[in-house]
Amino acid sequence: DVKVTQSSRYLVKRTGEKVFLECVQDMDHENMFWYRQDPGLGLRLIYFSYDVKMKEKGDIPEGYSVSREKKERFSLILESASTNQTSMYLCASTRRDTDTQYFGPGTRLTVL
Amino acid sequence: GENVEQHPSTLSVQEGDSAVIKCTYSDSASNYFPWYKQELGKRPQLIIDIRSNVGEKKDQRIAVTLNKTAKHFSLHITETQPEDSAVYFCAALASGGGADGLTFGKGTHLIIQP
Repeated sequence: DVKVTQSSRYLVKRTGEKVFLECVQDMDHENMFWYRQDPGLGLRLIYFSYDVKMKEKGDIPEGYSVSREKKERFSLILESASTNQTSMYLCASTRRDTDTQYFGPGTRLTVL
Repeated sequence: GENVEQHPSTLSVQEGDSAVIKCTYSDSASNYFPWYKQELGKRPQLIIDIRSNVGEKKDQRIAVTLNKTAKHFSLHITETQPEDSAVYFCAALASGGGADGLTFGKGTHLIIQP
């Protein structure tokens, strides 16, 4: 069974802080993704990675960066958190030869 | 880029009745269309998906239909039960080996009335 985990379920940070969200998958998946989910807007793609040290911008990359130093771990970084980044953040992963994405439990981030 | 529209945003049906959720997409290169169910406080879970070389797919009480010409696809749930209450998301992908993110609709809150 695919397991995607995220470092925190709930996180509260202050404006201007640097924030790290971590995602780990244990199924040797090549592709990993970060989405944010907001009421009435669905899930929107922030960044994705198809290999170690590779990254691609999604639909809403502004204000975010990512790091993929190891195959199993994909980190989302908010360099200077702002209140409009308060959201639910979902990580997902998939094998290179399939399209089915498996999601983590999500991190609900509040920026005060 | 791809744009996915989903309707309705809220759907209330009586237990035992059928529910239909509709999505349209804009990119004719899209060829993979999954549906996810998200219960309150939980992660999205894939419930069914369809590829563009197939017009319909069924799995017990749920089915998905795809009309490539019109660029729309629909989720059908028959004999609805209380546990079907959740938010449902459709999505589209121009598949190139999975190395692209899904484009999601905005979601439909399905409410099953007892």
